[in-house]
Amino acid sequence: AQSVAQPEDQVNVAEGNPLTVKCTYSVSGNPYLFWYVQYPNRGLQFLLKYITGDNLVKGSYGFEAEFNKSQTSFHLKKPSALVSDSALYFCAVRDLNSNSGYALNFGKGTSLLVTP
Amino acid sequence: GAVVSQHPSWVICKSGTSVKIECRSLDFQATTMFWYRQFPKQSLMLMATSNEGSKATYEQGVEKDKFLINHASLTLSTLTVTSAHPEDSSFYICSAPGQGLPNTEAFFGQGTRLTVV
Repeated sequence: AQSVAQPEDQVNVAEGNPLTVKCTYSVSGNPYLFWYVQYPNRGLQFLLKYITGDNLVKGSYGFEAEFNKSQTSFHLKKPSALVSDSALYFCAVRDLNSNSGYALNFGKGTSLLVTP
Repeated sequence: GAVVSQHPSWVICKSGTSVKIECRSLDFQATTMFWYRQFPKQSLMLMATSNEGSKATYEQGVEKDKFLINHASLTLSTLTVTSAHPEDSSFYICSAPGQGLPNTEAFFGQGTRLTVV
């Protein structure tokens, strides 16, 4: 089964500092990986995805993620955090079983808190 | 990006009543939509896959008679929570994949906060 793990429940960072939110994956075959952000009582907003190609993927709001096959990781990064980045972040992998309709399987989420 | 609209944003209902949640793809067609349930500070759990023109596919442990899914058209899927109980209180989110599966991202509705009293 395709799955992802987010080892940190919460990440705290000061505004202006770089941030990293970790994600590791376990898949058979090539992974289709995604990052989403969720603000309180809202749906999920797409940030970026890795399907194939360059290992460094750039996404929305200045976020980027690095696909590392040897470490089976897909960590989300941003060079300079903003207070407004504080939210819940989900890593996800696509279930490539067509019977599932290609649903996304989500990690447990990481709460990011950026302090002024 | 594509827009998925979910309605209502929140609903309070009495135990034993039924509640319908709508999920619409506004600017694209979706033969498949997904329904997730999210508990406080937890991840999204896939409940079922809604298929236009055929029956929904439910995940293990999800009661199909309690969570009725109807994919009425290429732009509308509905989730009806029947005979609701307080334990059904949760945040329900729908999503629809963009064109070009499996490479495309999924687009999510705003979510529905259901409270059963």
